[in-house]
Amino acid sequence: EAQVTQNPRYLITVTGKKLTVTCSQNMNHEYMSWYRQDPGLGLRQIYYSMNVEVTDKGDVPEGYKVSRKEKRNFPLILESPSPNQTSLYFCASSARTGGMDTIYFGEGSWLTVV
Amino acid sequence: GQNIDQPTEMTATEGAIVQINCTYQTSGFNGLFWYQQHAGEAPTFLSYNVLDGLEEKGRFSSFLSRSKGYSYLLLKELQMKDSASYLCARNDYKLSFGAGTTVTVRA
Repeated sequence: EAQVTQNPRYLITVTGKKLTVTCSQNMNHEYMSWYRQDPGLGLRQIYYSMNVEVTDKGDVPEGYKVSRKEKRNFPLILESPSPNQTSLYFCASSARTGGMDTIYFGEGSWLTVV
Repeated sequence: GQNIDQPTEMTATEGAIVQINCTYQTSGFNGLFWYQQHAGEAPTFLSYNVLDGLEEKGRFSSFLSRSKGYSYLLLKELQMKDSASYLCARNDYKLSFGAGTTVTVRA
């Protein structure tokens, strides 16, 4: 079954404590991305990756890092989380960009920073 | 962002029709997605328009005008389960979403 898996699904953490949200897809997709969703602001892209070792900033990259060492994994790293990073996070993947490809979303990760 | 604009909220009656408009920047544009999202859940795919015109899929239809940077999603025979947020997303080398339109269907 085609899947994008995120972990953890729910997390409460404290300011400044580094955390990583993992994302894995089993479809051999080239393109992966991270979004955050906040009330009234829709889905905003944090980072995206066109392929292994190719990553680029989205619209709201401040405070986040990513890596793409393997095709299937695209972890989101918060080196020093702050309360304004409390949000719902989605990982997504597709076979490629620029074409008519279905985008698959993970189930979302609810992150609270206190 | 990519200046993707859509109305914030719409309300309609069960059985009625609602049209959700979306405008976007045309430079570098490849296509326009529509997604449905229920609260707290991941977005689910509704349609993808690349060429101008109307595409119909059951109760949902989507229209695109590339030259005008304009799309709409038409929801017909509204049902209570259609109450959700509807997101338009512009596809270029990355995917950029509008803020979403919350549709409330009333009995």
